Amino acid sequence: DAMVIQNPRYQVTQFGKPVTLSCSQTLNHNVMYWYQQKSSQAPKLLFHYYDKDFNNEADTPDNFQSRRPNTSFCFLDIRSPGLGDAAMYLCATSRDVQANQPQHFGDGTRLSIL
Amino acid sequence: GQSLEQPSEVTAVEGAIVQINCTYQTSGFYGLSWYQQHDGGAPTFLSYNALDGLEETGRFSSFLSRSDSYGYLLLQELQMKDSASYFCVGQENRDDKIIFGKGTRLHILP
Repeated sequence: DAMVIQNPRYQVTQFGKPVTLSCSQTLNHNVMYWYQQKSSQAPKLLFHYYDKDFNNEADTPDNFQSRRPNTSFCFLDIRSPGLGDAAMYLCATSRDVQANQPQHFGDGTRLSIL
Repeated sequence: GQSLEQPSEVTAVEGAIVQINCTYQTSGFYGLSWYQQHDGGAPTFLSYNALDGLEETGRFSSFLSRSDSYGYLLLQELQMKDSASYFCVGQENRDDKIIFGKGTRLHILP
């Protein structure tokens, strides 16, 4: 089935040690998003790609970077994770950025910081 | 800027009907969506309203009143599996980012 796949499901890293989360899609969607979600909170958009165009949210820390080498893959890099970065990270895709285009989410990667 | 307000929690009984409200404050408006998220799971798209009125999809319906800046999600014949968080999601203008409300946690009692 076409889907959005995130790996790994759980990731543990050390304080300050760079970590990369990955997302792939078989939907051939133009847009790929990265969200951060903490317990009992709404998903918070970090950035998104429309094709190769990167769109960063104004309040996303510089510690967070992203790469999209091709249509199917998108990566979230956290350069120096702090304890406050422990969260669920959700990848989503959509055909376009309008609200009438549903976002399809992966199952997320839960990041723990030691 | 845009903000969406929804109750933090709602409790209902299995088999009943429940309504989850969402009010929004925006300088523009380009539709209201609803997503469901089970604990530990991913959000899944439920519905989208661009125009006033009711959109029905099985047991779930979504309503919008643009004049009142208000919408709601209606869940009928509640089942235990409907226990989840529900997010209303808005967009001010066509190419603006999509904003999630803080979510309503629905508790269902047997």
